[in-house]
Amino acid sequence: EVQVLESGGGLVQPGGSLRLSCAASGFTFRSYAMSWVRQAPGKGLEYVSAISGGGGSTYYADSVKGRFTISRDSSKNTLYLQMNSLRAEDTAIYYCAKPGSSISFNTQGYYFDYWGQGTLVTVSS
Amino acid sequence: DIQMTQSPSSVSASVGDRVTITCRASQGFSSWLAWYQQKPGKAPKLLIYAASSLQSGVPSRFSGSGSGTDFTLTISSLQPEDFATYYCQQANTFPWTFGQGTKVEIK
Repeated sequence: EVQVLESGGGLVQPGGSLRLSCAASGFTFRSYAMSWVRQAPGKGLEYVSAISGGGGSTYYADSVKGRFTISRDSSKNTLYLQMNSLRAEDTAIYYCAKPGSSISFNTQGYYFDYWGQGTLVTVSS
Repeated sequence: DIQMTQSPSSVSASVGDRVTITCRASQGFSSWLAWYQQKPGKAPKLLIYAASSLQSGVPSRFSGSGSGTDFTLTISSLQPEDFATYYCQQANTFPWTFGQGTKVEIK
């Protein structure tokens, strides 16, 4: 059974840092480009970051570029999101999402077939 | 980036009703579109991909259609468990973008 489970969220002050983790199981993790999608309270979905299966290619939305770093450890089947210089507008539930096929994250047809339960990040003083 | 605009933003319907949600893209494309269902406090769930392909395990009352700039999600006979928020996502032009959501509420 495919599972993705996020952790690491919490309350942090503006300017602070947090590292999110996503533990994956039930599929060949290293074969899949993985993504982070966030949802601000009461708002829609925003595609934040992605990383290739091998870890050599990454993507960041303009809203987080230069502040967030995505990485993965295939020996641990875990995806990470290091978040620095956090702002109030980063407050959101962060979801780890797996695509339906083992294609590159920027290839047409990249849909999300499994999502974690999400982890809440609150940036506030 | 391609902008996805859903309409309506919310719809009130009764059990058994037919419900149609529209997603309009700022640029046309063939069929690289998905629909997700999200219930309160839960993660989104993939319903439809490639505009009209039903994800495994999703009831057949859900269907999708469209190409170009206009896509639709139809629920043929609304069930109590279908009250949720629905999002479209384009997977044609990177970066992927989502619609703002349509909330299906009980009438």
